[in-house]
Amino acid sequence: NAGVTQTPKFRVLKTGQSMTLLCAQDMNHEYMYWYRQDPGMGLRLIHYSVGEGTTAKGEVPDGYNVSRLKKQNFLLGLESAAPSQTSVYFCASSLFYLTGELFFGEGSRLTVL
Amino acid sequence: DQQVKQNSPSLSVQEGRISILNCDYTNSMFDYFLWYKKYPAEGPTFLISISSIKDKNEDGRFTVFLNKSAKHLSLHIVPSQPGDSAVYFCAASEDTGNQFYFGTGTSLTVIP
Repeated sequence: NAGVTQTPKFRVLKTGQSMTLLCAQDMNHEYMYWYRQDPGMGLRLIHYSVGEGTTAKGEVPDGYNVSRLKKQNFLLGLESAAPSQTSVYFCASSLFYLTGELFFGEGSRLTVL
Repeated sequence: DQQVKQNSPSLSVQEGRISILNCDYTNSMFDYFLWYKKYPAEGPTFLISISSIKDKNEDGRFTVFLNKSAKHLSLHIVPSQPGDSAVYFCAASEDTGNQFYFGTGTSLTVIP
């Protein structure tokens, strides 16, 4: 059972480049999330989705876009990467909204030079 | 402003002893709390949760205590094992909100 899979796991970008992080879950979860983890900041929610075709902003959405065209996939895009977006990104999914556990992927480490 | 705080960045405990990890929150509307465990280069994994209608929840060696009046929760691990060495995050949510709020984590080291 793969659970939540993120690709790529590592990426180095130059300022201004664009990229997409892919998250795939095989648990048929309705809810999916993108978090970033920075030293001393904990996990902060970037965007989330409560179902196929829906997306919403979280705590730190600026500079990111997302899409949920298929229930099992949640894409996080950086249109013009900035050094401030250097972080570890985690995708998560859940069966219930706000009252159940989140299942996390292994993380994607992004460095923007 | 951080709504969920873990004021101890690190904790060291001898194997077999009790580990107590603490978490404070500021939003009195939070009604669901979780603890996650994270090993290096892995995603966080769910450990235990508690609803605000309870003040204690136990699962094997792990017990979470909730003190709503103090806006404080704690995770007790008894007995601690070397495999428990990891970063522990607490998280909280309210049913009218839109997200979980995570603390900054406490790195637990269990010394054999």
